[in-house]
Amino acid sequence: NAGVTQTPKFQVLKTGQSMTLQCAQDMNHNSMYWYRQDPGMGLRLIYYSASEGTTDKGEVPNGYNVSRLNKREFSLRLESAAPSQTSVYFCASSNLRAGELFFGEGSRLTVL
Amino acid sequence: EDKVVQSPLSLVVHEGDTVTLNCSYEVTNFRSLLWYKQEKKAPTFLFMLTSSGIEKKSGRLSSILDKKELFSILNITATQTGDSAVYLCAVEDSGGGADGLTFGKGTHLIIQP
Repeated sequence: NAGVTQTPKFQVLKTGQSMTLQCAQDMNHNSMYWYRQDPGMGLRLIYYSASEGTTDKGEVPNGYNVSRLNKREFSLRLESAAPSQTSVYFCASSNLRAGELFFGEGSRLTVL
Repeated sequence: EDKVVQSPLSLVVHEGDTVTLNCSYEVTNFRSLLWYKQEKKAPTFLFMLTSSGIEKKSGRLSSILDKKELFSILNITATQTGDSAVYLCAVEDSGGGADGLTFGKGTHLIIQP
């Protein structure tokens, strides 16, 4: 009964370092999403993937890249981390075009 | 650009009180409005509303949508300390692509014993 699994849960980076956040879902959902959540800002969409093989930019894509590796997995990469990318990152999936989203437990990233 | 505004941003009440949380929105092609509860970690789904005037209810929580006035409310009756959380409102735009939901900033609800 895993649902949406994100790794790592916590990460501290230095400015300029790179890293990849991994996300996997076991609900056979077509659509997957990456959001970031900052205090007072709500959840903002970084990238999404409507189906395997497609990805699109959301509201705040700068500084990020994504890969939809297969139907289950959707990764988020920071090529050169900046302090402004300090945030909590949530991966989500859905069966329909959006509608009800199922969220992972979040990954807290700190960039020094 | 889709927009969701929630009010109040924070609210402190005593156990047993009834609270009403507000969500107004602007969206190009409205498809649905959703409410989520977020405690420590991931947001969890509460309601999806697509039609005006039809109340959705789950236990002490209920929600209704007004598509003419572009808002929704979430009511919680007989509040308990376990209701303390951030409540998020989001809208779905039907205009092409599975481009996710647009979220409001949330209402931070604190229930004092």
